[in-house]
Amino acid sequence: NAGVTQTPKFQVLKTGQSMTLQCAQDMNHEYMSWYRQDPGMGLRLIHYSVGAGITDQGEVPNGYNVSRSTTEDFPLRLLSAAPSQTSVYFCASSYSFAASQPQHFGDGTRLSIL
Amino acid sequence: KQEVTQIPAALSVPEGENLVLNCSFTDSAIYNLQWFRQDPGKGLTSLLLIQSSQREQTSGRLNASLDKSSGRSTLYIAASQPGDSATYLCAVPGSNYKLTFGKGTLLTVNP
Repeated sequence: NAGVTQTPKFQVLKTGQSMTLQCAQDMNHEYMSWYRQDPGMGLRLIHYSVGAGITDQGEVPNGYNVSRSTTEDFPLRLLSAAPSQTSVYFCASSYSFAASQPQHFGDGTRLSIL
Repeated sequence: KQEVTQIPAALSVPEGENLVLNCSFTDSAIYNLQWFRQDPGKGLTSLLLIQSSQREQTSGRLNASLDKSSGRSTLYIAASQPGDSATYLCAVPGSNYKLTFGKGTLLTVNP
């Protein structure tokens, strides 16, 4: 019962590099999202998807891209890493966003940009 | 804009105590509220989800209550144990597909 799986768990990048954070879920959830968690700022929504082929921006989308080609996978791409993107990134999923469906979170990716 | 506040920010109690964590929200038009636990360096684990039509939800030693009209939820932990030490977060969904989180309560249960 894997749930939400995020890879890698840790990553160090240099400014200007690009990379993709992977997120996969095996629960056939339609809704998936990416949050970043920063000290004093709490969790902030980056991007979300309500189903395959449908994505939209959250409250802090700049510098990030997403795509949703399958129900299972929702990768987050950093286009040109900046020190301000140093953070812990969490992927979440649920059957639907509304009503009685709890959100399930992955263990996070800890990203440092030098 | 929905705002979620959790009080206290930190709490330290001796093992065996019953305790209450508080969560308040400014927009009462919510359809559920979720409580999470986060251990250091780990992800968020869902503890309880309480629907807007419910007043309480229980799981083991945990009991969550919801009062929409006053914009408040409480998480009651009975007979606390050192293993309960973690950060507890509450979150409410908004109309823009965003979960709004509180900043959390850091709980330490001392043996």
